[in-house]
Amino acid sequence: DGGITQSPKYLFRKEGQNVTLSCEQNLNHDAMYWYRQDPGQGLRLIYYSQIVNDFQKGDIAEGYSVSREKKESFPLTVTSAQKNPTAFYLCASSPNKRGYSNQPQHFGDGTRLSIL
Amino acid sequence: AQSVSQHNHHVILSEAASLELGCNYSYGGTVNLFWYVQYPGQHLQLLLKYFSGDPLVKGIKGFEAEFIKSKFSFNLRKPSVQWSDTAEYFCAVNAGFQKLVFGTGTRLLVSP
Repeated sequence: DGGITQSPKYLFRKEGQNVTLSCEQNLNHDAMYWYRQDPGQGLRLIYYSQIVNDFQKGDIAEGYSVSREKKESFPLTVTSAQKNPTAFYLCASSPNKRGYSNQPQHFGDGTRLSIL
Repeated sequence: AQSVSQHNHHVILSEAASLELGCNYSYGGTVNLFWYVQYPGQHLQLLLKYFSGDPLVKGIKGFEAEFIKSKFSFNLRKPSVQWSDTAEYFCAVNAGFQKLVFGTGTRLLVSP
């Protein structure tokens, strides 16, 4: 059954630590995205990747980093530079090489990150 | 810059009531429009989409949306809601192969 797998579902971080959120898709999609969801703010784009070994910053990239070494994987690292990392993080993918275009995005179940 | 406004942040309805959620966007060119839904504890999923053609599009679970170009709107409607429609609804717009922009969401609570 094709889809997007995000792990872990819940993640706790101590102040000053980096943490990495996993996102894997078996949909053979070219484009992948990371969003942050906060109450009352909708989804905000952190980073996106249209093809392997290439990625671009979204609206709120500061304090985050990504890599795209494989087509099916797009991990997000929340660094200690991110001042307010507590949020719900959503990974998505779409088949379109050109990025957003007119193909709907498919979403994972999300990872909830909390600061201890 | 491209933006999406959802004016209703919280909506409470009784079962069988009619629903209309507003969505307005700011972009003058060709747009692709989406409504996504997030049921409690579930992932975001596509409800319906508009790319071109008939401005009245039908989605899953009896939802429909009408694209009115002159009003820059893409309102979501359902004639009779059910308790199972309780969820958060997001409007999203993609224009000119630029990024997908989401509205802030509308939380719908349907009381039985």
